[in-house]
Amino acid sequence: DAGITQSPRYKITETGRQVTLMCHQTWSHSYMFWYRQDLGHGLRLIYYSAAADITDKGEVPDGYVVSRSKTENFPLTLESATRSQTSVYFCASREGGPGETQYFGPGTRLLVL
Amino acid sequence: SQQGEEDPQALSIQEGENATMNCSYKTSINNLQWYRQNSGRGLVHLILIRSNEREKHSGRLRVTLDTSKKSSSLLITASRAADTASYFCATVNGGSYIPTFGRGTSLIVHP
Repeated sequence: DAGITQSPRYKITETGRQVTLMCHQTWSHSYMFWYRQDLGHGLRLIYYSAAADITDKGEVPDGYVVSRSKTENFPLTLESATRSQTSVYFCASREGGPGETQYFGPGTRLLVL
Repeated sequence: SQQGEEDPQALSIQEGENATMNCSYKTSINNLQWYRQNSGRGLVHLILIRSNEREKHSGRLRVTLDTSKKSSSLLITASRAADTASYFCATVNGGSYIPTFGRGTSLIVHP
């Protein structure tokens, strides 16, 4: 299917486990982003990538790792999940510069017990 | 930290009324964007206004930008129950390509 997809859509894990959230886009957009959304905080940027093999930290990167070996994929890994990482995670992509539209995936709801 | 802050946090109106949401920001911007998020879904882009623009329209949406006051407003005219959603502004600074989102305004339109 064309567009931007995330998997899994729902995930329950335990404290200390490693979790990987997947993001895939079919447009070959240069930019990809990971946000987390929490009540009272809105959307906060975790990491972003301007192109394959180029990644940069956002506002809240601690405890997360990303990679971008292929343009279309941008996985987000929680190395050792903590309860504070319970959140809804959104992936987004954008074709180019600041005047371009961001397209969001449907989100992954993660619960860390 | 949030660059854009929406006001009000919540808005409840009747179908047919107009809904106005405001966004204030702190530093100079390249552009400002408005997004809508329906419950349980991802964000959907509505409209982008550049720093040298003052007003843009898209269907029932009207966005204004006042760079001297560092504020923007989103007006939804003749609202419908289907407009019920959260609305976010996102600012893109002059030196960065990365949008910064506010906390959003929750709009409820009663049929």
